[in-house]
Amino acid sequence: GQQLNQSPQSMFIQEGEDVSMNCTSSSIFNTWLWYKQDPGEGPVLLIALYKAGELTSNGRLTAQFGITRKDSFLNISASIPSDVGIYFCAAHTGTASKLTFGTGTRLQVTL
Amino acid sequence: GAGVSQSPSNKVTEKGKDVELRCDPISGHTALYWYRQRLGQGLEFLIYFQGNSAPDKSGLPSDRFSAERTGESVSTLTIQRTQQEDSAVYLCASSQRGGQVPRTLHFGNGTRLTVT
Repeated sequence: GQQLNQSPQSMFIQEGEDVSMNCTSSSIFNTWLWYKQDPGEGPVLLIALYKAGELTSNGRLTAQFGITRKDSFLNISASIPSDVGIYFCAAHTGTASKLTFGTGTRLQVTL
Repeated sequence: GAGVSQSPSNKVTEKGKDVELRCDPISGHTALYWYRQRLGQGLEFLIYFQGNSAPDKSGLPSDRFSAERTGESVSTLTIQRTQQEDSAVYLCASSQRGGQVPRTLHFGNGTRLTVT
């Protein structure tokens, strides 16, 4: 089946540092999404991307839909303690009925 | 309600027993999804309901798993003869299906299933 390879799997960073994570696939997707999951809760949508090459920001978060439509990245600038959590990429072909999720990047911030 | 509601929040069951998990989607949301999340893993698609269309069951791991949805309301996920490998968090999500799918997927907090 379709797979999304997300990296890194986990990262420890200092408060105030910038963070970058990415998601790649061997398949083409028409929609890329980034979610954040806090402990004991369901994932919450952060950013949605609908067009190849699209660059979208949401506060300190910036995400891009790769030109090849096979990848996406998420950047977090000036990280703060509440950024801790698991970040998932997800993608959709537009013709299928389900979202495929990546394996997640666990972010931990040290003071 | 304001969000997707799942019950129970936690379920411990003995191997071999059947369990039923419930999801109340956001009112007016026509699409409903079930995902499974094993400890430390990503989300694994199980099944998708969209309005009156036939559900996409392609993610159900075995015939022990089944799900139903009544109209555009409550859904139940049933696991028969549970196995220890079924232990996971089962997440339900709903969305309004507009021209682009799914523009926003709203997740519940999940049911944590433990099979002993």
